[in-house]
Amino acid sequence: EDQVTQSPEALRLQEGESSSLNCSYTVSGLRGLFWYRQDPGKGPEFLFTLYSAGEEKEKERLKATLTKKESFLHITAPKPEDSATYLCAVLGGETSGSRLTFGEGTQLTVNP
Amino acid sequence: GAGVSQSPRYKVTKRGQDVALRCDPISGHVSLYWYRQALGQGPEFLTYFNYEAQQDKSGLPNDRFSAERPEGSISTLTIQRTEQRDSAMYRCASSSRTGGGTEAFFGQGTRLTVV
Repeated sequence: EDQVTQSPEALRLQEGESSSLNCSYTVSGLRGLFWYRQDPGKGPEFLFTLYSAGEEKEKERLKATLTKKESFLHITAPKPEDSATYLCAVLGGETSGSRLTFGEGTQLTVNP
Repeated sequence: GAGVSQSPRYKVTKRGQDVALRCDPISGHVSLYWYRQALGQGPEFLTYFNYEAQQDKSGLPNDRFSAERPEGSISTLTIQRTEQRDSAMYRCASSSRTGGGTEAFFGQGTRLTVV
């Protein structure tokens, strides 16, 4: 069974204070790791897909990296508008079909 | 449409009643997913359609839950004989390719409350 664990559960940063969110996963045959952002009352919004260890993707102040056991979402010089819950999800091996298995998320608050 | 549209946004129903939740995916998207999300948790997979074919329903909790997508576009998730434990946010997502390996776009969800 695919498993995803995100840490920390919640993170408070000051504006400009860089940090990283962690996503540890257990799958049999990773076919993709996904990062989503979710604002209160909204559906998850896609950020990145990573497919293989060593891959990195960037978007504005966010950079996602992937190893064989975990992924990090690095936030550089965050702004208050980066406040949201960040969700990690994995698409496992063929036996997982097309289901994404999500972690419980990290709730990020960036104070001005 | 511009995004995934779900209706109703909110549904309050009495225990034992049947409910139908609707999802209108992004035009042309072949894959459609239903997820359920409890407060403070990530979405939990329910079922997946490739066009009109329901290819994976392993996440449906029991036989009171069913879903269809008869013409490969709009989908309906039906819950029969609702119970209080069915109360949750139900989310639909669609993507342009099959197999789950591409980004899925989520709707705003239907908040179901069973009283």
